[in-house]
Amino acid sequence: EAGVTQFPSHSVIEKGQTVTLRCDPISGHDNLYWYRRVMGKEIKFLLHFVKESKQDESGMPNNRFLAERTGGTYSTLKVQPAELEDSGVYFCASSPQVAGGETQYFGPGTRLLVL
Amino acid sequence: EDQVTQSPEALRLQEGESSSLNCSYTVSGLRGLFWYRQDPGKGPEFLFTLYSAGEEKEKERLKATLTKKESFLHITAPKPEDSATYLCAVHRGNTGKLIFGQGTTLQVKP
Repeated sequence: EAGVTQFPSHSVIEKGQTVTLRCDPISGHDNLYWYRRVMGKEIKFLLHFVKESKQDESGMPNNRFLAERTGGTYSTLKVQPAELEDSGVYFCASSPQVAGGETQYFGPGTRLLVL
Repeated sequence: EDQVTQSPEALRLQEGESSSLNCSYTVSGLRGLFWYRQDPGKGPEFLFTLYSAGEEKEKERLKATLTKKESFLHITAPKPEDSATYLCAVHRGNTGKLIFGQGTTLQVKP
């Protein structure tokens, strides 16, 4: 069974540009999560999809971040316009069920550097 | 406020030297405590889930335990390939999000 995949693995952009990150969850997983780790800090939650619906977006830092999950399959996270403080590693995770305590399986991450 | 604190931040061991990593948490309505391993440049890799105080789980040289306030990851006779960052995270009941600690970076020298 394929794991969670993310694309691209690395992205270097200039301040003010737009970047779109993609996540393909494990097949059949209804729950999809985005997390971010900035330098020196712990991994922090951004948002949670259940199928195509946003269940919780309390961790999204501001309206420069837009997440979508078309048809309940893959998800994209767009940053527009990017700022220096957006640099970090963006992780996607998925889990099969809505119930609490379900294991979340993580992708390899996208390393974003904003110059 | 929900919080997860891991200690120590870094740990250097000689091969075969057993030790423990600590994860202290304060969270209302704990639904699960997770241990992940993360290698440089990779995503967190799932190790264990613990659901209730007194629960223990083992995998090879690793053993995770849980009390009402903390969890320990015991590493018995570690090998250099156990070198990694170990992350602890908690799942609160009414949300899907995980709350992570900062991790413990373990280095095992041959």
